[in-house]
Amino acid sequence: DTEVTQTPKHLVMGMTNKKSLKCEQHMGHRAMYWYKQKAKKPPELMFVYSYEKLSINESVPSRFSPECPNSSLLNLHLHALQPEDSALYLCASSLQGQGRGTEAFFGQGTRLTVV
Amino acid sequence: DAKTTQPNSMESNEEEPVHLPCNHSTISGTDYIHWYRQLPSQGPEYVIHGLTSNVNNRMASLAIAEDRKSSTLILHRATLRDAAVYYCIPGYEEYGNKLVFGAGTILRVKS
Repeated sequence: DTEVTQTPKHLVMGMTNKKSLKCEQHMGHRAMYWYKQKAKKPPELMFVYSYEKLSINESVPSRFSPECPNSSLLNLHLHALQPEDSALYLCASSLQGQGRGTEAFFGQGTRLTVV
Repeated sequence: DAKTTQPNSMESNEEEPVHLPCNHSTISGTDYIHWYRQLPSQGPEYVIHGLTSNVNNRMASLAIAEDRKSSTLILHRATLRDAAVYYCIPGYEEYGNKLVFGAGTILRVKS
């Protein structure tokens, strides 16, 4: 199984809602990532988890709250988002650090619309 | 990522080879060079990576210049399914444990 599964595929939420994005992998990868991608732009890194601990937070607003309950699961909790947070949210995983010559696997993303 | 430069777009004919260039003049001796691609409406997909010598896999070849300041991704026979944005991503040590995506090259394949 070389898949990273993200749910839901699409999400529409109001600015006062609380929702969560879920990401799952069963490849034994110990590094997991959240990216945000706006239309026609490259993915931007948000968070990195290494061995279930948050190792990088790219100065992401606190209305985005990541969680890694176990080595296979990564969540992104959303609260009080703004319309400009509408984007494709991508999850990725890798056996070790992404930038050190290892293959990262990406999910298909969750298309989030904030209304 | 201003350290890495790629053409904004390229066009290829189907069944012909494609050479996608990338300049990374500030790369250090231990920084890997990664290539990913992103097909329309999909997440990025790993293509290939290398350090010093040329690399081949089932998807592509990676040719790395001797001084490592540039590299070229080679698709040997482009198909319509290869139309995507191709990202050259050096694993700069200062960026640590992460991939930083630049603007990439939009590859269009004509039938």
